[in-house]
Parts: sequence; C-alpha cells; structure tokens
Amino acid sequence: SQQGEEDPQALSIQEGENATMNCSYKTSINNLQWYRQNSGRGLVHLILIRSNEREKHSGRLRVTLDTSKKSSSLLITASRAADTASYFCATDSGGYNKLIFGAGTRLAVHP
Amino acid sequence: DTGVSQDPRHKITKRGQNVTFRCDPISEHNRLYWYRQTLGQGPEFLTYFQNEAQLEKSRLLSDRFSAERPKGSFSTLEIQRTEQGDSAMYLCASSLDASSYEQYFGPGTRLTVT
Repeated sequence: SQQGEEDPQALSIQEGENATMNCSYKTSINNLQWYRQNSGRGLVHLILIRSNEREKHSGRLRVTLDTSKKSSSLLITASRAADTASYFCATDSGGYNKLIFGAGTRLAVHP
Repeated sequence: DTGVSQDPRHKITKRGQNVTFRCDPISEHNRLYWYRQTLGQGPEFLTYFQNEAQLEKSRLLSDRFSAERPKGSFSTLEIQRTEQGDSAMYLCASSLDASSYEQYFGPGTRLTVT
C-alpha cells in the first residue's frame, strides 16, 4: 500500500517559476526522501531529510519536514524545462531502508 | 560509471508462462531491493536482500514470485504462471549498506502479459 500522498497530482508551470509539491504520510518515519523519475533516466534520488531535521537545501531544491503534521514539501526554484518529470516522496519507517512511495506529482515545465 | 543494470528491458509474455528478470547492482553494494510500479503509481516494495539473505518480502509477493541473490551479487526475480495483473515495471535498486539510505535504481524491466 502507498504510504505517502503527493499533492498536487499534476502541476504545469512556466520556466523560471517555482514549483511546490507536498507529501503527506501516515506512520512515524526515520527519514523521508524525494526521487525524480523521467523516461530518460529512471528514478533518481534527489534529497533526504531525517526525522529530526526541519529543512534541507540542495542546489535549487528545498525540502521541509513537519513530523507533527506528517507532511513534507519539495520546492524547486527557478524551474527549467529539464525539471519536467514525476516527483515522488518515499518514507523509511521500518529502519530497513524499505521505501514506501507515494503516487507522485507530475510536473511539466514549459519553455 | 556502472550503475544498476536490469535485463531484459522489455518482456512480452503470454498468460501462464514463466518469466525471469535479472538485476546487477552497483558493485560492492550489499543491499538489493525489488519494487513494482504500475502506470500512474509510485513503486511498491516487493523484497530486499542483505548480501545473499532475503530479509523481507511484501504481501504483494505471492507464492508465484520468487527472488534470489545466490552469491550476494546479481539477483533474479521469477514470476511463475504469469497473470495479466502482473503487467508492470519491475525496478531493482541497490544501496551500499544498512546505514546508506540513498537507493540507486536501475532502468527497470517492463513486463506485458497478454
């Protein structure tokens, strides 16, 4: 079963705009990860945030985590056409690094 | 850079046939995972190995499914008596060890059962 739910399911923006995706999950977690998937490169790890962290940055990516609300957000700033992909949050709650993925947000960035 | 490789990339089979997929993880990665992904959904965990030991299997993995990692290197996933509901992308991932959370995914094997 899916642990996380991403919101929105689909997002369409222009190049240069920011994109925000949200993820909610159900059980307590050790960490939460975001992955990107496109037809060219498959699933690629983007960023990991641990349960005791509240915010993390990596390049144009900013991730927040609110464990009290069981939610996370991924912000992509100054989006590019190459950011067009599906974005998934994945939680690790069992300590075995068994990832539980959400259904994903499909992002389209138009030139 | 040799990432995770999977073979074949595509497989079309008739219902009732057996199929086997292979995954070669990044060398020296001790952990290997199998996931299944259907259209419009995120990957769903199937099973994982620590070296050659299979440590957990999802309830999704019926008795028609079996996975092995005989020497702690490559892994195979076999589906016996395939059903149309088995049609999906089968993804393999590896990670260095138990303390490494990032998983590296292969390109997947797309299975179509007709």
